[in-house]
Amino acid sequence: NAGVTQTPKFQVLKTGQSMTLQCAQDMNHEYMSWYRQDPGMGLRLIHYSVGAGITDQGEVPNGYNVSRSTTEDFPLRLLSAAPSQTSVYFCASSYEGLAGGLASYEQYFGPGTRLTVT
Amino acid sequence: AQTVTQSQPEMSVQEAETVTLSCTYDTSESDYYLFWYKQPPSRQMILVIRQEAYKQQNATENRFSVNFQKAAKSFSLKISDSQLGDAAMYFCAYRSYIPQGGSEKLVFGKGTKLTVNP
Repeated sequence: NAGVTQTPKFQVLKTGQSMTLQCAQDMNHEYMSWYRQDPGMGLRLIHYSVGAGITDQGEVPNGYNVSRSTTEDFPLRLLSAAPSQTSVYFCASSYEGLAGGLASYEQYFGPGTRLTVT
Repeated sequence: AQTVTQSQPEMSVQEAETVTLSCTYDTSESDYYLFWYKQPPSRQMILVIRQEAYKQQNATENRFSVNFQKAAKSFSLKISDSQLGDAAMYFCAYRSYIPQGGSEKLVFGKGTKLTVNP
């Protein structure tokens, strides 16, 4: 299993440009999420999906779009990049289930994408 | 809304000694998960330990253990026999227990930078 993969690893954009950060997982997890990490802020949830065709906003969704057409892929789109979107972006996949009748949850992160908007 | 607080921006420990990282959280829920993640300079998010709120026994993983105080809403991480490879940012995180899906929201603290001195 490759786990969670993200591309690209690094990206520099000019203000106003658009781009898509790719995320894929091969663990057949229903849940996928996008986070951003800024210095001193920890990770903050941008958008998440609980299954193909279902997405919802997290804590900081403005300026980002997502879609989930397949279980495996969850791309994050920046339609018009702004300097405030300079950050490290993490994709994650997870599942919640029952193990022996008890709740269980696991989450796996991708390696991250460092995005700079000038 | 849930919040997670890590009151120690930085900590240091001598190699082979023990260190405890603090985490408190605020929630009105009774069922949830708590996590400690390690982020080394490679920026990969690595799960260190997980605690289900319904479990009274504190979780342990080799040299890592937690002190989970549900009533006090406290979730500290103890690292025994510290090693140079333990140097990293450590994040505490909270997730609601949500049966049948419907949401996926992890809330992270701002992190504690751990330095291990030889």
